[in-house]
Amino acid sequence: SQQGEEDPQALSIQEGENATMNCSYKTSINNLQWYRQNSGRGLVHLILIRSNEREKHSGRLRVTLDTSKKSSSLLITASRAADTASYFCAPNQGGKLIFGQGTELSVKP
Amino acid sequence: GAVVSQHPSRVICKSGTSVKIECRSLDFQATTMFWYRQFPKQSLMLMATSNEGSKATYEQGVEKDKFLINHASLTLSTLTVTSAHPEDSSFYICSARASGSGGRGNEQFFGPGTRLTVL
Repeated sequence: SQQGEEDPQALSIQEGENATMNCSYKTSINNLQWYRQNSGRGLVHLILIRSNEREKHSGRLRVTLDTSKKSSSLLITASRAADTASYFCAPNQGGKLIFGQGTELSVKP
Repeated sequence: GAVVSQHPSRVICKSGTSVKIECRSLDFQATTMFWYRQFPKQSLMLMATSNEGSKATYEQGVEKDKFLINHASLTLSTLTVTSAHPEDSSFYICSARASGSGGRGNEQFFGPGTRLTVL
């Protein structure tokens, strides 16, 4: 069964707007990772947040983690058309990444 | 950075044949590699964990006799889809975790994927 569940499943925004994607998981984790995938391509690692961290930044990305609620969010600020892709959260449970269904982000120019 | 390659990138085969997919870590050693499959518009499903020098650990519902995994060296794991059928058509992705760096917490580096089409 899926460890990560994401919300929303699809998100369409205008260039320049912020995009927020949420992820919930079920069991305890070592860390949680976010990936992006362009259609039909491999995965690109975006950011890793450890279980003892609450927030992490990388460029235009901001990730939060709330272990008490078993949830994480990914914020992309000042979105660009090139950010159009599917985004997956992947909680790390005992060394295994269990991917959520993903959020399909469309950024319109 | 850490690079993982897969070969072939795309393969079309006839029903009943076997297909081998290679996953290589190019600039690091990987004690552990993972194999995933992804159907269109869906998420990645972990199929198995491949450990160098030992048997792979398969996820529930994955037939080990159907999907043969060999991890013969620290830089190569292979997935063989035996007696492939059209329902095996999918996108197969591998990932590798670097050796000697703490194990469970570390980042996985993903290959570009192999698209298998079984006619």
